[in-house]
Amino acid sequence: AQKITQTQPGMFVQEKEAVTLDCTYDTSDPSYGLFWYKQPSSGEMIFLIYQGSYDQQNATEGRYSLNFQKARKSANLVISASQLGDSAMYFCAMRESPGGTSYGKLTFGQGTILTVHP
Amino acid sequence: DAGVIQSPRHEVTEMGQEVTLRCKPISGHNSLFWYRQTMMRGLELLIYFNNNVPIDDSGMPEDRFSAKMPNASFSTLKIQPSEPRDSAVYFCASRMTGVRGNTIYFGEGSWLTVV
Repeated sequence: AQKITQTQPGMFVQEKEAVTLDCTYDTSDPSYGLFWYKQPSSGEMIFLIYQGSYDQQNATEGRYSLNFQKARKSANLVISASQLGDSAMYFCAMRESPGGTSYGKLTFGQGTILTVHP
Repeated sequence: DAGVIQSPRHEVTEMGQEVTLRCKPISGHNSLFWYRQTMMRGLELLIYFNNNVPIDDSGMPEDRFSAKMPNASFSTLKIQPSEPRDSAVYFCASRMTGVRGNTIYFGEGSWLTVV
């Protein structure tokens, strides 16, 4: 079973508009972390935002916010005021903490390609 | 601050040759990861080190792959002999345990093509 599901292979948004990239996850661990990474065409993986499973508030980092709905097991990324430079592949990832240990490998979704139109 | 540094950035090699990928993690980070990215399989964890000790190598495809971390500031991933199906982008990543939810930071990747 997929642990991380990104159902949108591609998304389009007009410059300056907001866009939501969907991510659902599956875990039975009570403690986990959710992450979003951006991969532009140049290939590097850029960390964007982190949400802990016990965090009461949704995470925000500048124009990025994470819409965390724990009961629905969703962790959607919201990008406000899209810019042309936001065009990239976006990956959702989850870190579980098996046995309460700090080690938990990141499991990635398949990614969503975002294209920002001028 | 310097991020994770990988070399080479690009490598083209012939089938059967040995390939060595190198990584310098972020200074002070105590965990290091090697990931592989392909179109078919996405991002896969190959191996994880904590305090220079391999903790989980269950993702290493086969005996042709080996990884070492002789000290806190250097790691290698070796493929011997290389095969065309090893063509992929190999990412090294590091983190400081307990910081920011154990966020890992990636290098720019090593693009490997085996012909």
